[in-house]
Amino acid sequence: EPEVTQTPSHQVTQMGQEVILRCVPISNHLYFYWYRQILGQKVEFLVSFYNNEISEKSEIFDDQFSVERPDGSNFTLKIRSTKLEDSAMYFCASSAYEQFFGPGTRLTVL
Amino acid sequence: KNEVEQSPQNLTAQEGEFITINCSYSVGISALHWLQQHPGGGIVSLFMLSSGKKKHGRLIATINIQEKHSSLHITASHPRDSAVYICAVRWFSNNDMRFGAGTRLTVKP
Repeated sequence: EPEVTQTPSHQVTQMGQEVILRCVPISNHLYFYWYRQILGQKVEFLVSFYNNEISEKSEIFDDQFSVERPDGSNFTLKIRSTKLEDSAMYFCASSAYEQFFGPGTRLTVL
Repeated sequence: KNEVEQSPQNLTAQEGEFITINCSYSVGISALHWLQQHPGGGIVSLFMLSSGKKKHGRLIATINIQEKHSSLHITASHPRDSAVYICAVRWFSNNDMRFGAGTRLTVKP
């Protein structure tokens, strides 16, 4: 059964460093999403991506965040200068109709 | 402010019991999702609804558009159903998703 994959499963970084979280969506899906979940809190929408551009973004998705589909298969989330409060689980999802979620990347900013 | 409210926050049941989890939302939506989050953190999409009722195995999801309310039912609950169940909605006004806080279900043998 096709699935969304994410790498790495856990990323530890120092405050101020750039991180890139990677996702491989299901191959025939056209819509891609990033969400985050701070420990103990709700899942929050970050951004949706369609036709090689951002279709929607939340107030959380500020200038330190960017997304890219560099090669037609990967879908990446870049955080330019990480802050302590960026520590969270980041989920990628893709959809043709119903959304399928990846297993998440746990980001720890020290 | 657009909100998604779930109840109860926590639910403990005995194996075999019928479970109901509720979700209410504040404005018109294009779709409602029920998700299951396992203790390890992974999220699985259970249902996507825009009207009526859907059934998959022991799980049933219903939505009442007029009342802005959805329920997730689990029949013959089992300890492996223990997880956090999350309601998420997509508003008509935009394409982002808003999530409820989740209902933590524990089914005891």
